[in-house]
Amino acid sequence: SQQGEEDPQALSIQEGENATMNCSYKTSINNLQWYRQNSGRGLVHLILIRSNEREKHSGRLRVTLDTSKKSSSLLITASRAADTASYFCATDGVNAGGTSYGKLTFGQGTILTVHP
Amino acid sequence: GAGVSQSPSNKVTEKGKDVELRCDPISGHTALYWYRQSLGQGLEFLIYFQGNSAPDKSGLPSDRFSAERTGGSVSTLTIQRTQQEDSAVYLCASSHQGGVYEQYFGPGTRLTVT
Repeated sequence: SQQGEEDPQALSIQEGENATMNCSYKTSINNLQWYRQNSGRGLVHLILIRSNEREKHSGRLRVTLDTSKKSSSLLITASRAADTASYFCATDGVNAGGTSYGKLTFGQGTILTVHP
Repeated sequence: GAGVSQSPSNKVTEKGKDVELRCDPISGHTALYWYRQSLGQGLEFLIYFQGNSAPDKSGLPSDRFSAERTGGSVSTLTIQRTQQEDSAVYLCASSHQGGVYEQYFGPGTRLTVT
């Protein structure tokens, strides 16, 4: 099964509202990343949060990480129609040697629709 | 180049034929990854390259799948004797070194096996 489980599976909001997506994972991680995908093609990297960080901001994006609960959330504030896309969390696990090399395990994603 | 490029963008092939998918990573990126995205399985890791070597091939679904990377740059994913379940979007990503660095994805190759 996927390392990351995301909820909700789909989210529909109006422009200007905030959108919150959640991600849970099962094993120890080195970092957690959020990606956006339009039209089922290439993924665009949004933000990376390391396992020793609790919160990170980038523009209208805010990501939190709670390693004790093995969960993360992505908040998009003041959403726009252009934010309509699928959003994925991906975890970079720690291998037996305690290091990682970027093998990402993705969640199933949240489909966000922002209505103008 | 400015980003990761992949070719072809779309490939339709008959069951049983071999296909080659190409990935051109961002210049200077030593780490390269292949992923597959299908409706039933979501996004799955296939293989990881550091330079020309592949320390992790654990995601390749069968021995019909192979990949190589030459010159620390271009990578080719080959699928032999394609099956209908191989139909998916194959995504390539590269990163500066691997590990804590973000990955930059190409637009993908949509493979349809008829």
